[in-house]
Amino acid sequence: AQSVTQPDIHITVSEGASLELRCNYSYGATPYLFWYVQSPGQGLQLLLKYFSGDTLVQGIKGFEAEFKRSQSSFNLRKPSVHWSDAAEYFCAVGPGYPGGSYIPTFGRGTSLIVHP
Amino acid sequence: EAGVVQSPRYKIIEKKQPVAFWCNPISGHNTLYWYRQNLGQGPELLIRYENEEAVDDSQLPKDRFSAERLKGVDSTLKIQPAELGDSAVYLCASSLGRRDRGYNEQFFGPGTRLTVL
Repeated sequence: AQSVTQPDIHITVSEGASLELRCNYSYGATPYLFWYVQSPGQGLQLLLKYFSGDTLVQGIKGFEAEFKRSQSSFNLRKPSVHWSDAAEYFCAVGPGYPGGSYIPTFGRGTSLIVHP
Repeated sequence: EAGVVQSPRYKIIEKKQPVAFWCNPISGHNTLYWYRQNLGQGPELLIRYENEEAVDDSQLPKDRFSAERLKGVDSTLKIQPAELGDSAVYLCASSLGRRDRGYNEQFFGPGTRLTVL
């Protein structure tokens, strides 16, 4: 069965500092990997996704993530955090299949706190 | 273009009472999902519709939960009777479900926060 581990429940950074959120997955085949952001009172918004090819993927809002198969990781990074980045971040893994919509398995999330 | 609309945004009920949530997906999206998000957890799929057909409802607690999407557009999720453990955020999402694409992004609504007292 597929699973996702986000080892950090909370991360606190200062505005302008760099950020890395960790994600480890377990999946039997080549995974589809995703990062979502959820602001308070909002639904989830897709930041970026990895299916194949270049292991460094760029997303919206200046985020990027790197797929490392040997480490079963898909960590999210941002070089300079803004106060508006404070939110809950979810890593997800799931199969995709031709003509269908994937059903992801989500991690428990990491809450990002940004200090001014 | 409007996103996924859910109502109500918040609901507080006593245990054993019924409750219903409504979702209107993005226009043209034929696939609709209901998720439950417990506090401090990621969303978990309850049921997925393709048009009006429920194609994946294995995680729906069928003794008390029911869902419908009669005309393949909007959908209602019902709990009857509600239990204390049903307190959670119920998220609706939709996607195009185009069969010529390997991946169809899900777009999420803001959710309904249910509190059962």
